[in-house]
Amino acid sequence: EPEVTQTPSHQVTQMGQEVILRCVPISNHLYFYWYRQILGQKVEFLVSFYNNEISEKSEIFDDQFSVERPDGSNFTLKIRSTKLEDSAMYFCASSEGPDWGNQPQHFGDGTRLSIL
Amino acid sequence: GESVGLHLPTLSVQEGDNSIINCAYSNSASDYFIWYKQESGKGPQFIIDIRSNMDKRQGQRVTVLLNKTVKHLSLQIAATQPGDSAVYFCAETPYGNNRLAFGKGNQVVVIP
Repeated sequence: EPEVTQTPSHQVTQMGQEVILRCVPISNHLYFYWYRQILGQKVEFLVSFYNNEISEKSEIFDDQFSVERPDGSNFTLKIRSTKLEDSAMYFCASSEGPDWGNQPQHFGDGTRLSIL
Repeated sequence: GESVGLHLPTLSVQEGDNSIINCAYSNSASDYFIWYKQESGKGPQFIIDIRSNMDKRQGQRVTVLLNKTVKHLSLQIAATQPGDSAVYFCAETPYGNNRLAFGKGNQVVVIP
């Protein structure tokens, strides 16, 4: 069964450093998403991406965050200058269409980001 | 603010019994609902979805019920197995929106 893959599984970074989290969405999917889950809290939406542009972003997704689809398969999340509070599990997801098209989002297993 | 939430933090169920997990939502604009299962160290795994024009949908061993009048969603798991032990999340999104709002999660523990 096709799946979303994320690398690395665990990333440890010094505060203030840039970090790039990588995702390979399911190949025929057109919509891509990033979510995060701080330990013990809910999964929170960060951003959605379609047709090479951001379609929606949350208040968490500030100027320190950016997303990119550099080629036909990868989808990346960059945090420019990491803060301690960026420590969380980051999940990538993809769907054939938006949820209002009755197409569910499928998630990867996440990257655990630890900021020191 | 409006949110999606779960009633019970932990559900312990005997293997072979049926499980029911409940979820309340408060956003009346919600149109699409999904149940996810999350095992330790893994991402949310899609279980079943339902749109607001339906009140029941069945999958393999799972049934989702939607009561729009009281803004309540439930997931029923038939003949619960040890592999069903996980955290279960409900998530919702309004029509025309692709931002999922997740509930806090409900731990299901299956007792062999």
